[in-house]
Amino acid sequence: GAGVSQSPSNKVTEKGKDVELRCDPISGHTALYWYRQSLGQGLEFLIYFQGNSAPDKSGLPSDRFSAERTGGSVSTLTIQRTQQEDSAVYLCASSPGGGSSSYEQYFGPGTRLTVT
Amino acid sequence: GQNIDQPTEMTATEGAIVQINCTYQTSGFNGLFWYQQHAGEAPTFLSYNVLDGLEEKGRFSSFLSRSKGYSYLLLKELQMKDSASYLCAVKSREYGNKLVFGAGTILRVKS
Repeated sequence: GAGVSQSPSNKVTEKGKDVELRCDPISGHTALYWYRQSLGQGLEFLIYFQGNSAPDKSGLPSDRFSAERTGGSVSTLTIQRTQQEDSAVYLCASSPGGGSSSYEQYFGPGTRLTVT
Repeated sequence: GQNIDQPTEMTATEGAIVQINCTYQTSGFNGLFWYQQHAGEAPTFLSYNVLDGLEEKGRFSSFLSRSKGYSYLLLKELQMKDSASYLCAVKSREYGNKLVFGAGTILRVKS
C-alpha cells in the first residue's frame, strides 16, 4: 500500500513569509510525528499526535511553529514569519500505534525547506 | 536527543563486522529502536529491543542491556551499501512515549 507522503518535496521561501507543509500518513495509523533535520544532524522532535489525545507539542522551537491533524489523518505543519535558521528537512512519520507500543515509525520522504 | 549518546563517525572495511554503540539515560524505558538513514533519504526501521538480549535479523543484530542503559547494533559481512547514518532512538514514559533520537552514527564502509 501507499507509504507516508509529504508535500511539497522542496520549498524555497523568503524570510518573513509563512509556509505550510503537508503530511499524509499511512491509512489507519493513529500516531503521527513531525521531526526536523538540519544538514548532517540527527532528528529533532517537533510534535506528536496520538489518536484523539491532545498533541505533545513539547518539541516546537517557538510559537511561530504550529501543527494540526484533521480527522485523525492529514497533518499540516505551519511556520509563520520564517527565519533562515528554519531551513532544514522536515520529516513526517506515522505509526499504527503510539504510547508504549513496539510499532516502528514509517517516515515520509521529507520536505526540504530553504529560507532565503 | 537528550541523554542518548552514539559515536559520531565510524569507518570499517567491506566484509568486516562493525558494532555501533548507543547509551541512554531515562526512566520508564519502553523500548529502543535502530534506524538506518542513507544520505538524502528518510530513515528506515532496522530493529526493536525492549527486553535484554540479542535480536538477530540477517546480517544485522541488535543487543540491549536495560540495567546498563546500553544497546549496540552489529553489522556483519559489511557491504558498501551499508554506508549510512545509524540512528538509535528510545521510547520511555519520561519522554511521553514519543520516540527520541540520538544524533546518529555515520558509518563509512571502505573497500
